Amino acid sequence: EADIYQTPRYLVIGTGKKITLECSQTMGHDKMYWYQQDPGMELHLIHYSYGVNSTEKGDLSSESTVSRIRTEHFPLTLESARPSHTSQYLCASISREGGSEKLFFGSGTQLSVL
Amino acid sequence: LAKTTQPISMDSYEGQEVNITCSHNNIATNDYITWYQQFPSQGPRFIIQGYKTKVTNEVASLFIPADRKSSTLSLPRVSLSDTAVYYCLVVPIYNQGGKLIFGQGTELSVKP
Repeated sequence: EADIYQTPRYLVIGTGKKITLECSQTMGHDKMYWYQQDPGMELHLIHYSYGVNSTEKGDLSSESTVSRIRTEHFPLTLESARPSHTSQYLCASISREGGSEKLFFGSGTQLSVL
Repeated sequence: LAKTTQPISMDSYEGQEVNITCSHNNIATNDYITWYQQFPSQGPRFIIQGYKTKVTNEVASLFIPADRKSSTLSLPRVSLSDTAVYYCLVVPIYNQGGKLIFGQGTELSVKP
């Protein structure tokens, strides 16, 4: 099992604030992902990374940005939070065995922007 | 990436076997099939993965016919705690494309 950690678990913040959602994994996985999910809705891929200094946008357009300076760390930043950013944000990394891949998810950050 | 189609929801009762089928008509030769389970307010969790025929682990079985255009996740004797959303993903071996896209999944409701 991969160990992947997200902090904070819950965040309530006012409009206009800058926030960073933390995601760390201890397994040395190269590929990492950020998904956004509203209650009862699909998971939407917003960012992914192949490894250090690699970041790509996902299928859902997002005003957030990500960075990958270290293998184990993949933080997501919102420069100016808005109520429309209220959602659950899930971070994941990939374990590769042979040619197949398995996603391991963190517990998520539930963000509420007032 | 191959598109997948699953039923939006299913109902079952405790102790029954549940079979959830996923259609992936345009699956490629180098694609494999993976199923995930998601409880409310948690990230998805890996259940089972396979390429062809049948795979079984301590949680579920995965049946893949010869043409591989569909797959069936089988949950034996479900309990209330199996109530969750189940996702089917089709991904290339050595996925160089990077993206992993989830469909809408199947919401399984297990009743007492």
